[in-house]
Amino acid sequence: GAVVSQHPSWVICKSGTSVKIECRSLDFQATTMFWYRQFPKQSLMLMATSNEGSKATYEQGVEKDKFLINHASLTLSTLTVTSAHPEDSSFYICSARVRLDGGEQFFGPGTRLTVL
Amino acid sequence: GENVEQHPSTLSVQEGDSAVIKCTYSDSASNYFPWYKQELGKRPQLIIDIRSNVGEKKDQRIAVTLNKTAKHFSLHITETQPEDSAVYFCAASQGTGNQFYFGTGTSLTVIP
Repeated sequence: GAVVSQHPSWVICKSGTSVKIECRSLDFQATTMFWYRQFPKQSLMLMATSNEGSKATYEQGVEKDKFLINHASLTLSTLTVTSAHPEDSSFYICSARVRLDGGEQFFGPGTRLTVL
Repeated sequence: GENVEQHPSTLSVQEGDSAVIKCTYSDSASNYFPWYKQELGKRPQLIIDIRSNVGEKKDQRIAVTLNKTAKHFSLHITETQPEDSAVYFCAASQGTGNQFYFGTGTSLTVIP
């Protein structure tokens, strides 16, 4: 199957700093990537849909200025958590869709963010 | 928007027994319903999916049924094994749209 990678896998940062998370599709071109947030023992909450070359579409309640998403190429999307605070600590997972017709999403391994 | 509900939140079964997880969705435009398995600390993995033009799909010990009229779909695992223990998520999506909306998850424990 298609492979999606994320970097870093785990990051610890001080409150007030910004953190960038990369999501890459390694063996396919992903016109659409998705960013999810997952709290411990909870479901995946869709944060935003990222389309290559255009602005991301954010879900209701997700702060655009807080979570900056850039999808600069068909294989790379980045999520930047700006001015991170302890409540932003979470597991962030990206996924990439191979086709636009409802096809399977392939998930990255996730990035654990801990804000001190 | 779409609202996906999933039950039960936890499920324990004896090895060899069957497990059933149910989901309901609200948006009649949804037409793609995948099921994902997530082991602790790992990424979700697709285990089976179904499209709205099909009522049932089976893959070895796993099957999914869909009732479009009632807007619900179910995952059936037969002859459960300890390695089936994980969290299972259902999701709903529109074919021409992009978003997947996930259920709240079911933590399945298979007791040896």
